[in-house]
Formats: sequence, structure tokens, C-alpha cells
Amino acid sequence: GNSVTQMEGPVTLSEEAFLTINCTYTATGYPSLFWYVQYPGEGLQLLLKATKADDKGSNKGFEATYRKETTSFHLEKGSVQVSDSAVYFCALISDRGSTLGRLYFGRGTQLTVWP
Amino acid sequence: EPEVTQTPSHQVTQMGQEVILRCVPISNHLYFYWYRQILGQKVEFLVSFYNNEISEKSEIFDDQFSVERPDGSNFTLKIRSTKLEDSAMYFCASRGTGVETQYFGPGTRLLVL
Repeated sequence: GNSVTQMEGPVTLSEEAFLTINCTYTATGYPSLFWYVQYPGEGLQLLLKATKADDKGSNKGFEATYRKETTSFHLEKGSVQVSDSAVYFCALISDRGSTLGRLYFGRGTQLTVWP
Repeated sequence: EPEVTQTPSHQVTQMGQEVILRCVPISNHLYFYWYRQILGQKVEFLVSFYNNEISEKSEIFDDQFSVERPDGSNFTLKIRSTKLEDSAMYFCASRGTGVETQYFGPGTRLLVL
């Protein structure tokens, strides 16, 4: 089946620290991979995505590379800011068996950045 | 920028009562979804909807749940007889034709007592 596992939170960092949030997946076929972010009081927003192996998604200084050999899509940022404090969700859409592209999510990782 | 909206933001109800959660998807989107997140657990898919019918539903989406697009703008999730375990954050999402990205609303936090 399809599933996503991401590192447990919360993650607490000082401003300008390096961030990694690990995400691994199980899927049949060739899924598309996503990172969504949820800021306090808001909905889930797409942060970045990758649709095939070795693709790198990037946005707002965040990056993630689709690694088929390790079934991973780890989120990284070189220098976090206080405004990056949010919950981050890794997700996939399978290319098999789903008619309208349901998303499979991980549990979410709470990131708190201190000044 | 267009966005998905949901009402109410919070709802408290008694076990056994019916609740209707409302969503207004982005206006030119044709594909609609409901997801939920029980506290501390994963965001889970409930149902997808297209062309006025359910396209796919998960095992969670049993006979107590129903969805409807009563007019050209709203998309609703009804829980007929709420249980304690229905307490969760419910997210609505929509997407346009030919793209994978789903746009999410801010969620409705449902508490069943």
C-alpha cells in the first residue's frame, strides 16, 4: 500500500540553523511527492513538490530531492527563520489505483524557530 | 489570491447529533476532497468528489458520512450521528483540471462530547 513516514517532532531550532526533516515513503508505481506547510490558524499550503526520481523541488529556501533508491524526500533549509515556525507535512499521490489523486500524508512535524 | 474557505472554524456537538461542515472551494475548481486529522495522528483521506458524485472514498467514510454540492459554490460534509471518535480537524481541499496540487482550507475543528 501507500504510506508516508516522517520524523517525529517537535523540532526546535535557533534562527539561522540548518533544518532537515526526514520523510520516507512506501508506494506502488511512481508517486508524486509533496511537502505541505501549515502556519498557525491557516490551511495546508503546498511548499514544494517533485514528480519523478531525482527531481528537486524548491521554494522559499526549502529543498527536497526525490530519491527513489532510498524512497525518501527529506526537507532541508540552510538557514531557518522565526517565520518558518509551522507544521510540515510530507505527502504523496500514487499513480496507481486512485482516480482523483488522493493524498497520503505523514503525521506532520512541528518546527519552532527561536530568535 | 483565491482560497478555500471553511465554516465553522470550531464546532462542539453532543454524541449522536448531526453536524454539517461547510466548504467553499476555489471557484473554477472541479475536484473536491475531504480529509481529517485526529489529534496526534496522520492527515487521512475521507472522500473525493467530481461531477456531482463521489469518485473515491476511504474505509473511514462509512454510512454516517455524506457529501453534497448543494449549489455552485458550497461543498458540504455531513456526519449523521456523531461519535466521540469523530473528534478531529476536518480539511476541505479543491484542485483544478490537469494539475495535481490540491488547495486546502484552514480546517474545522470538531469536538464531540
